[in-house]
Amino acid sequence: GENVEQHPSTLSVQEGDSAVIKCTYSDSASNYFPWYKQELGKRPQLIIDIRSNVGEKKDQRIAVTLNKTAKHFSLHITETQPEDSAVYFCAATFNNNNDMRFGAGTRLTVKP
Amino acid sequence: SAVISQKPSRDICQRGTSLTIQCQVDSQVTMMFWYRQQPGQSLTLIATANQGSEATYESGFVIDKFPISRPNLTFSTLTVSNMSPEDSSIYLCSVPAPGGSGANVLTFGAGSRLTVL
Repeated sequence: GENVEQHPSTLSVQEGDSAVIKCTYSDSASNYFPWYKQELGKRPQLIIDIRSNVGEKKDQRIAVTLNKTAKHFSLHITETQPEDSAVYFCAATFNNNNDMRFGAGTRLTVKP
Repeated sequence: SAVISQKPSRDICQRGTSLTIQCQVDSQVTMMFWYRQQPGQSLTLIATANQGSEATYESGFVIDKFPISRPNLTFSTLTVSNMSPEDSSIYLCSVPAPGGSGANVLTFGAGSRLTVL
């Protein structure tokens, strides 16, 4: 069935370093790929997304890249700060964009 | 993005009982989605609630266990029936952004944290 795989499950970086989280998806028809950040005890919040007609999108310190041929996409956070510490989920749409499936999540810890 | 009010925010329930979670949106949306997030886990889609038709359930979820209502375009309920400790989880409703190019963007409610004893 449709699935999204996400790696790594945990990631620890020093403040100021970069962090990269990678995801792969199974359905070549998927065309929307969001990233959500979930802080402890809070709801997931969209931080950036990308559609299949572009290969890269950037918003200040965060960027997402998409390789449709290889069916993988990545989240890049530069100049990490302690407040970036959270669980990050990638997702992809399936079933003609009616369903969204999430990766298993990456717990990012930014050490001051 | 839409504003979603979800309640209860948390509850402690006894085994064998049922609990209904409500989700109210401040705008009309065609589809509403119900997700489950087990402790320390990802979000799993339970079902899609469509106004005017039966909900569409994902593999592993059945209507008898998770009946859903969708009486209008701004409201939905999810019932967790005959609860067991394995149902202890956070249940979240979500809706797509209103119309246009952002139609796939999902906004989540604050979640309902259920603990079943």
